[in-house]
Amino acid sequence: GNSVTQMEGPVTLSEEAFLTINCTYTATGYPSLFWYVQYPGEGLQLLLKATKADDKGSNKGFEATYRKETTSFHLEKGSVQVSDSAVYFCALSGNTGKLIFGQGTTLQVKP
Amino acid sequence: EAGVAQSPRYKIIEKRQSVAFWCNPISGHATLYWYQQILGQGPKLLIQFQNNGVVDDSQLPKDRFSAERLKGVDSTLKIQPAKLEDSAVYLCASSFQEYLSGNTIYFGEGSWLTVV
Repeated sequence: GNSVTQMEGPVTLSEEAFLTINCTYTATGYPSLFWYVQYPGEGLQLLLKATKADDKGSNKGFEATYRKETTSFHLEKGSVQVSDSAVYFCALSGNTGKLIFGQGTTLQVKP
Repeated sequence: EAGVAQSPRYKIIEKRQSVAFWCNPISGHATLYWYQQILGQGPKLLIQFQNNGVVDDSQLPKDRFSAERLKGVDSTLKIQPAKLEDSAVYLCASSFQEYLSGNTIYFGEGSWLTVV
């Protein structure tokens, strides 16, 4: 079945450091890929998405590229801020529309 | 635009008691989802509705969990009797269309359940 695997956290970075959170997937067909973010005490928010191979999703300085050849959708940001501290979830959806999530990666950014 | 509304936000109950969570999706969204998020894990789909019909309830523990979506709008998720392992955040979500990969799904803030 379809599944998503994320790098384990927590990830601790200093402000302005470069961020990479790895995400790989297993899926039949051509899924869409998503990154959701969950700030402390808040609900899940869509951060970015890509719907086909080689698409790049971007938002708020975050980027991820849909790599079909490596079945990956790694999240990157060039310079993180303290306000980026949150839990990040990689997810995929197939042709039924429902989301399948990874286990989440906690990011802590220190000033 | 109003988001997905859920209540109550927090609930503490004893094991074997019952609890109900309510969700009001974004206006016009035909598809409604209930997810369970256990601490330290990613959300897991419990049930998916299209209007007031069930599309997928394969991971719903039907011996204790039930859900309904009357009139294709609001939904209620019930747990009876609750077990300790049901302690989790119950997330309601909605989307405009079903069966569309890439469709954006919007989440509520969640209902936090602690079973003691």
